[in-house]
Amino acid sequence: QLQLQESGPGLVKPSETLSLTCTVSGGSISSSSYYWGWIRQPPGKGLEWIGSIYYSGSTYYNPSLKSRVTISVDTSKNQFSLKLSSVTAADTAVYYCARLLAAAAVLSWFDPWGQGTLVTVSS
Amino acid sequence: DIQMTQSPSSVSASVGDRVTITCRASQGISSWLAWYQQKPGKAPKLLIYAASSLQSGVPSRFSGSGSGTDFTLTISSLQPEDFATYYCQQANSFPQTFGQGTKVEIK
Repeated sequence: QLQLQESGPGLVKPSETLSLTCTVSGGSISSSSYYWGWIRQPPGKGLEWIGSIYYSGSTYYNPSLKSRVTISVDTSKNQFSLKLSSVTAADTAVYYCARLLAAAAVLSWFDPWGQGTLVTVSS
Repeated sequence: DIQMTQSPSSVSASVGDRVTITCRASQGISSWLAWYQQKPGKAPKLLIYAASSLQSGVPSRFSGSGSGTDFTLTISSLQPEDFATYYCQQANSFPQTFGQGTKVEIK
């Protein structure tokens, strides 16, 4: 059964870079032709798609965050990562990683999801 | 961006009730719509994709319908474990966007 797990610092200072990693188990990122994505949810608010990456490294980002986001993949570790630069309090959120359901489709539904990790931006 | 608007924002219902949640897209998205259930402190769970296809393992009391701009999620007989927040998501064009959520509360 495919499982995803986010990891990274829970506290980041304003203006610094948020870095998270999603570790995939129960399946190989490189052997399955799927896109993998990051979604975030500010406390008490709705969901926002951040970006997605293919196992080959092709990326798609939300235009609202594109200038600050980098998503990368490390197939040797079965992981993909998120970097968000110049963070502010508005970036405080639970960050989720997920797989896109349809093979080779960057526009699709998200399933399964990781459990999520809360990142707080504060000095 | 395509705006997804859900109604109502919250609904109070009793166990056994039929509950209907609506999602409207700001432009046509064919059947590129999914529904998720989220319980407090948990990740969203995919219920319905392609507007009306039931994800594996999801109880048959959940159903989805619609195409174009107007979509509906129906819970035919509300169970205690169904009290949660529900989100729609469009996958027709970038960026994928979500509705603001509908909270189903105990009456």
